[in-house]
Amino acid sequence: GAGVSQSPSNKVTEKGKDVELRCDPISGHTALYWYRQSLGQGLEFLIYFQGNSAPDKSGLPSDRFSAERTGGSVSTLTIQRTQQEDSAVYLCASSLVFSSGSASGTDTQYFGPGTRLTVL
Amino acid sequence: AQKITQTQPGMFVQEKEAVTLDCTYDTSDPSYGLFWYKQPSSGEMIFLIYQGSYDQQNATEGRYSLNFQKARKSANLVISASQLGDSAMYFCAMVRPSNTGKLIFGQGTTLQVKP
Repeated sequence: GAGVSQSPSNKVTEKGKDVELRCDPISGHTALYWYRQSLGQGLEFLIYFQGNSAPDKSGLPSDRFSAERTGGSVSTLTIQRTQQEDSAVYLCASSLVFSSGSASGTDTQYFGPGTRLTVL
Repeated sequence: AQKITQTQPGMFVQEKEAVTLDCTYDTSDPSYGLFWYKQPSSGEMIFLIYQGSYDQQNATEGRYSLNFQKARKSANLVISASQLGDSAMYFCAMVRPSNTGKLIFGQGTTLQVKP
């Protein structure tokens, strides 16, 4: 079946503009995650969605960042008033479920190809 | 604090030889999962292998095996019969069910396979 897809693959924007990044998870996966990969910070968790539960937004770096997941499937990460330090690769991942009780192979997260964001 | 440590920034291996990439972790949770991902220059994160903390046997997936030493809190990746296509960045990561499933990543190890 199809893997996780993300769009756009590359985005160049000017400082101060808003951007939207899209993620389409693997069909049937209930958990969806956003991460950011940058040279200085490595791989950082941003936000997590699981079914109809309230998302875990603990990794969002500022209130300029927000995300939503519509219909339990597609997710959009929005960055408002972009800054140069927002330049990074934004990775989306999905897993079949998230096992809150005990670790399981169903927790395996499968990643999309990422969106490379460059803020000029 | 929960942490993943990969102490080898870069590794070289001769084609067809085996190589071990080190990973140590720190958690007080009894239940956790450990993962290895491969990131080639194209940038995509490719899942390689999973080890659960309660698994009795070391995980294996083709040429990949995970040397899981729970008491030492280490989860080293062993790649057998290295191929040129194995050249990539490799990340060790941990998930804790008590922490909403977010992956904590190590710093990564760059592996270069020499012909």
